Amino acid sequence: KAGVTQTPRYLIKTRGQQVTLSCSPISGHRSVSWYQQTPGQGLQFLFEYFSETQRNKGNFPGRFSGRQFSNSRSEMNVSTLELGDSALYLCASSLIRGGEQYFGPGTRLTVT
Amino acid sequence: GIQVEQSPPDLILQEGANSTLRCNFSDSVNNLQWFHQNPWGQLINLFYIPSGTKQNGRLSATTVATERYSLLYISSSQTTDSGVYFCAARGGSGGGADGLTFGKGTHLIIQP
Repeated sequence: KAGVTQTPRYLIKTRGQQVTLSCSPISGHRSVSWYQQTPGQGLQFLFEYFSETQRNKGNFPGRFSGRQFSNSRSEMNVSTLELGDSALYLCASSLIRGGEQYFGPGTRLTVT
Repeated sequence: GIQVEQSPPDLILQEGANSTLRCNFSDSVNNLQWFHQNPWGQLINLFYIPSGTKQNGRLSATTVATERYSLLYISSSQTTDSGVYFCAARGGSGGGADGLTFGKGTHLIIQP
């Protein structure tokens, strides 16, 4: 069974731009969560989607948003990029909410 | 929300040695996972262990939920075991309303 896939793997953007990252969960998994990893703050929870609805959100500004489609694929969007948004963005899927999470390879975003 | 603390932050061992990594958490959990982050950033699942003991080859883990800690044991360390090990937990109260909370990790270096 294929693992969690994320695209693109690397991205360079300029301050003020917006970006969209994509995540395809493991087949059959309905819960998708997003995390941000930075050297200073470590790994932090962004949000969780289940059945096309955002169920939880971490402590991030409204510039961070996401959505989930009927096939469970998910996208996250960051608008008005700031230098501090440079990070590794990780997507995880699980069969059920609260279940074991499996992570994708991540998208490394650099904002210049 | 739940707090997760890992110790030690850094650990340097010789090949063949055994190691114990500790994870303390501040509240009851319904999900506790151990991960190994590879050099490319991907989180590799080691154990899903909200309670009890599990073993997988040279690795084993124990979670004592009543005392709010988990231990990861690595026996007969190999250089390929080097990397950062993360513990992550999801609180059991409030219906598991949050995503995984990660510790800051243990950076393990195995010297030949």
